[in-house]
Formats: sequence, C-alpha cells, structure tokens
Amino acid sequence: DTEVTQTPKHLVMGMTNKKSLKCEQHMGHRAMYWYKQKAKKPPELMFVYSYEKLSINESVPSRFSPECPNSSLLNLHLHALQPEDSALYLCASSRPLGDGYYEQYFGPGTRLTVT
Amino acid sequence: GNSVTQMEGPVTLSEEAFLTINCTYTATGYPSLFWYVQYPGEGLQLLLKATKADDKGSNKGFEATYRKETTSFHLEKGSVQVSDSAVYFCALGNNNDMRFGAGTRLTVKP
Repeated sequence: DTEVTQTPKHLVMGMTNKKSLKCEQHMGHRAMYWYKQKAKKPPELMFVYSYEKLSINESVPSRFSPECPNSSLLNLHLHALQPEDSALYLCASSRPLGDGYYEQYFGPGTRLTVT
Repeated sequence: GNSVTQMEGPVTLSEEAFLTINCTYTATGYPSLFWYVQYPGEGLQLLLKATKADDKGSNKGFEATYRKETTSFHLEKGSVQVSDSAVYFCALGNNNDMRFGAGTRLTVKP
C-alpha cells in the first residue's frame, strides 16, 4: 500500500474560522511533510516531522499549526487565515530522514479557499 | 545550496512525438534525483528516481539518467500519448532538503 490519504478534499473557510486538515499513511514511514502549492507553482515545503517530532519549520506563520499525534497521522490546524493562504495543501511521507534521501509519496491534497 | 533548474514550458506535442524536458541541478555531496508528475486536480506522483551517478530511472516509457559530469537529469520519452498531458517536476533530495523545479506543463494533442 503506497497510499497517502488526505481529508477533506475541499475546504472553504472564513478568516475567523478554525479548521484542521488531516493526513494518514500506513506505509510505516517515519517522516511526514506538509507542502503548500499555489496555482502553476511547485510545492513549497512548510513542515517536516521525523519520528513524530517537528524537525523543519520553514518560517511558516503561526496561524498554521502542525501536529503529529502518532507515526501514521499528521494534522495541520488552521486559524485566522488570510485569503492569500488559499492553495492546495499537500501531505507527503517518506522513509526516515538522515539515512540517504528517499522518495516522498504524496496525498491528493486539500484544496483550501479562504473567504 | 541545493537548487533545480527546469526547462520552461508549456510544451505542446503531437501524439507519438519524442519528448525531452531538461533539468539541471546544483548541490553539494551526492543528491538523489526524482521526476514527479501532477495530473490536473491531483497530488504529485513519483514517476522515476535515481540515487547515484550514471543510474537510469525508468517507468511507463519515461527515462532519465543521472549525469554528474553535466549535473543533469533530463526526462525523455520516445512516443508520448494524450494521457501523458500533465505537469512534470524535477526534484532533488539532499541532506534532509527537497527542492523542486518550477514544473513543465506538457500538452499532447491527438
């Protein structure tokens, strides 16, 4: 099973709302990632978790709050977002960091619209 | 630092034409190189990979060879199909860092 699942597929939220994006994988991967992708652009790395600990935060605003409750799950909590945060949010997983560099498996993404 | 430079698109080809999408990289050490494909409305799918110099990655008729001497990883396919229409991203993984190229949109016409 090489599948990464993400829910919801689409999300519309107001600037005062609080919502969460969810990501799950059952490949035994111990590294998980959040990316943001704007239209016609490559994915931009936001956060990396390695062995359930946050290892990379690419200077992301605090209105985005990641959480890794266990080795299979990754959440992204959203609060007080701005319209410019509208994008496709992609989750990915891979074998652990630090032992070579392994390919990442991506989920289908959550299309977020902030109104 | 690590970076990837990818051929600007869009690229439009007729069915059964030969495809080349150029990709060059800058990195220290020994990066791994990848090609990902993104179909409309979907996430990225790994197309092929190479982890060391002179490795050739291949999948679904696509090929790319890791050339350290020219720091390149060009994507090729001998005969494209309409179903190959998508955005292709070259990527580099090195020292816990993943870098994507800008992406090349390919449209194949019947």
